[in-house]
Amino acid sequence: AQSVTQPDIHITVSEGASLELRCNYSYGATPYLFWYVQSPGQGLQLLLKYFSGDTLVQGIKGFEAEFKRSQSSFNLRKPSVHWSDAAEYFCAVLIQGAQKLVFGQGTRLTINP
Amino acid sequence: NAGVTQTPKFRILKIGQSMTLQCTQDMNHNYMYWYRQDPGMGLKLIYYSVGAGITDKGEVPNGYNVSRSTTEDFPLRLELAAPSQTSVYFCASTTSDRLYNSPLHFGNGTRLTVT
Repeated sequence: AQSVTQPDIHITVSEGASLELRCNYSYGATPYLFWYVQSPGQGLQLLLKYFSGDTLVQGIKGFEAEFKRSQSSFNLRKPSVHWSDAAEYFCAVLIQGAQKLVFGQGTRLTINP
Repeated sequence: NAGVTQTPKFRILKIGQSMTLQCTQDMNHNYMYWYRQDPGMGLKLIYYSVGAGITDKGEVPNGYNVSRSTTEDFPLRLELAAPSQTSVYFCASTTSDRLYNSPLHFGNGTRLTVT
């Protein structure tokens, strides 16, 4: 069955430090992968997506993600986090036949000043 | 554009009560979705609609009903509220069913507590 796993429920980093959020997927075909961010009290906003081509994709707010087929991973990175990056982050895979998204459990990011 | 608007923001229900969660969008999107978000569980699809008059079940439809009489509105109905329906509910819309090309636009959510 198609699924997405985000192993880290909660991560805390210091402002200015680098960040990596993990995402592993299970999908039979070439996956279409997404990262969404949810700020407190808000809906989800698309950060970036991967369909094909270059395995390193750039998104908004200085985020990037790397698709690694051999590891079934699509980890999200940022070189230097800002206090405004505190939010919950969701990885998702598109079920292509059904055109539906399957979301991971989410990772809550806390930024220490 | 206001985007996707959900009302109310918060609601407390007693077991057995009913209510309707409202969702409206002003982007002329055909595709609309209802998700619920439970802590540590991500988002689960409840119902979706591909256009006015057409709805279909998602992963967790039990205990809910929807209707889509207009392009703009996609209300979610809880007939007999149960504690298991305590959750945050999100409505989303998009212009196409090709979700790789047409990102979902989410509302700000409705936090529902059933006691």
